[in-house]
Amino acid sequence: DAGVIQSPRHEVTEMGQEVTLRCKPISGHNSLFWYRQTMMRGLELLIYFNNNVPIDDSGMPEDRFSAKMPNASFSTLKIQPSEPRDSAVYFCASSPPGGREQYFGPGTRLTVT
Amino acid sequence: GENVEQHPSTLSVQEGDSAVIKCTYSDSASNYFPWYKQELGKGPQLIIDIRSNVGEKKDQRIAVTLNKTAKHFSLHITETQPEDSAVYFCAASKAGGGADGLTFGKGTHLIIQP
Repeated sequence: DAGVIQSPRHEVTEMGQEVTLRCKPISGHNSLFWYRQTMMRGLELLIYFNNNVPIDDSGMPEDRFSAKMPNASFSTLKIQPSEPRDSAVYFCASSPPGGREQYFGPGTRLTVT
Repeated sequence: GENVEQHPSTLSVQEGDSAVIKCTYSDSASNYFPWYKQELGKGPQLIIDIRSNVGEKKDQRIAVTLNKTAKHFSLHITETQPEDSAVYFCAASKAGGGADGLTFGKGTHLIIQP
């Protein structure tokens, strides 16, 4: 079975541009999480959804960040406008109904110049 | 909010020896404690987890212990092998019937010396 799928794997963009990261959770999973990993701050939770509904977005750094989950098989994380300090690896993870274990995707490495 | 401290940041052991990584958490309401292994260029991979109603769990060469009173949990890897070299993260969450967001430690770079 396919794991969590993220695209693109690498993204290089200029400051001020809009960036959209995409995630397809494992089929049948109903919880989806977005995390960011940097050397300075480690792995941080940004937002998570349960049954396509945002539950906790307190980790979203500022209004430039937004996330959507229009259906059970797709989610996006958008940064507009992007800044150099947004450079990081962004991970998506999903979890099955009633389960606590989270399965991570391969990540998107974002570089903002 | 929850705060997870992890030690050491780097651990070097001889192949075949044991490795122990320790974490502490601050929120007594946390009840789920997973451990993840991350190899270079890959996403974190769940290797073992423990819930607050259990004191110890073992899976082949890997074991995790939990001390709720001290708010402390540890990962033990026995008979280490070269493929155990990676960064290991502990995490904590408090969840009811399903998953909740994880708070991660800063990671331990485990190096297995041949």
